Amino acid sequence: GEDVEQSLFLSVREGDSSVINCTYTDSSSTYLYWYKQEPGAGLQLLTYIFSNMDMKQDQRLTVLLNKKDKHLSLRIADTQTGDSAIYFCAEMDSNYQLIWGAGTKLIIKP
Amino acid sequence: DSGVTQTPKHLITATGQRVTLRCSPRSGDLSVYWYQQSLDQGLQFLIQYYNGEERAKGNILERFSAQQFPDLHSELNLSSLELGDSALYFCASSVTTGSGANVLTFGAGSRLTVL
Repeated sequence: GEDVEQSLFLSVREGDSSVINCTYTDSSSTYLYWYKQEPGAGLQLLTYIFSNMDMKQDQRLTVLLNKKDKHLSLRIADTQTGDSAIYFCAEMDSNYQLIWGAGTKLIIKP
Repeated sequence: DSGVTQTPKHLITATGQRVTLRCSPRSGDLSVYWYQQSLDQGLQFLIQYYNGEERAKGNILERFSAQQFPDLHSELNLSSLELGDSALYFCASSVTTGSGANVLTFGAGSRLTVL
């Protein structure tokens, strides 16, 4: 079946760039998403990208999509303590359902 | 405020009991999703309703049931509760954008503790 995989943890120093990676298996995915979950809160949409795009940039966030390798990444420039959260990758399948990764916990070191 | 309202925020109950979680979607959103997030686990999709009808079913236990009412709010009923049902339960509502993306907006969640 469809699957989305992410590393469980990423540790970066404050001020550095964070790159969170995600791989998926469904070649018919049309949209891919990044959501952020801060402690004790619900998930918040960060951005999404259409599958025929290679890149999308929004302020400090850059999403890269390699459709051939089914690889999605989220780069956060100048990582701040407020970026500490769990980041979820998701893909939309042909039934408009979102298939979720397990989430990557971003840990910021001072 | 995401526009998706979930009540109660916290709930503590005993094993064997039954609880009801409530969700009001964002204005105009016809779809409601329920997810379970246990400690150290990702999101488990439970069920989706669209305009009052069940649209998709995930890993929802038989002890759990849900419905969406004519005013589009939804309720998730959890019965014969077990310790392992302790989790965060999220509701999300969605709209399909003009470009075809299905964008989910999540509520703040209901934290259920079963003792």
